[in-house]
Amino acid sequence: EAGVAQSPRYKIIEKRQSVAFWCNPISGHATLYWYQQILGQGPKLLIQFQNNGVVDDSQLPKDRFSAERLKGVDSTLKIQPAKLEDSAVYLCASSPRGDSSEQYFGPGTRLTVT
Amino acid sequence: SQKIEQNSEALNIQEGKTATLTCNYTNYSPAYLQWYRQDPGRGPVFLLLIRENEKEKRKERLKVTFDTTLKQSLFHITASQPADSATYLCALDESGGGADGLTFGKGTHLIIQP
Repeated sequence: EAGVAQSPRYKIIEKRQSVAFWCNPISGHATLYWYQQILGQGPKLLIQFQNNGVVDDSQLPKDRFSAERLKGVDSTLKIQPAKLEDSAVYLCASSPRGDSSEQYFGPGTRLTVT
Repeated sequence: SQKIEQNSEALNIQEGKTATLTCNYTNYSPAYLQWYRQDPGRGPVFLLLIRENEKEKRKERLKVTFDTTLKQSLFHITASQPADSATYLCALDESGGGADGLTFGKGTHLIIQP
């Protein structure tokens, strides 16, 4: 089966600009997550969707980050305006419904803010 | 405060030996504990999941133990190979079953020397 797809793979922007990332999860996976991974750290959860509803966005910096999951499939994560500290890899993951919390990750988008 | 600690330094192991990685946590009560492998430029890949009522789980050359009293998990790779060189991430799932996102440690960089 096809894995989690993300685009773009790399993005370089200047601070105060805006940027958007796209994720297409594994077909049939109800749960979708966005994580931020700063160099040398483990992934940190930003937001979790169950179908097209938000389950947890407690760690999302809502003054500048937003995310949506239209029709319970694809998702976009946006940053506006970007700060230098937003430089990181943004990972999308999906998980099937049921008694399994294992997650399937995409390759990530590496964002550099200059 | 809540903390997940993994071997902070890189772990160098001779090919053929057993590599043992440690994950310690404080102020968490995970229902599940998971281990992921991450290669440079890629997203994490799920390896093993162990539940709070399980002591040990095995999969091919991999073995995970989970001691909820010590608040520790050990991850073993037997007959290690250079291809096992990667960063290994420990992740906690407090609710179990995918209801919440995962909380990751920083990871341990494992190097298997030929």
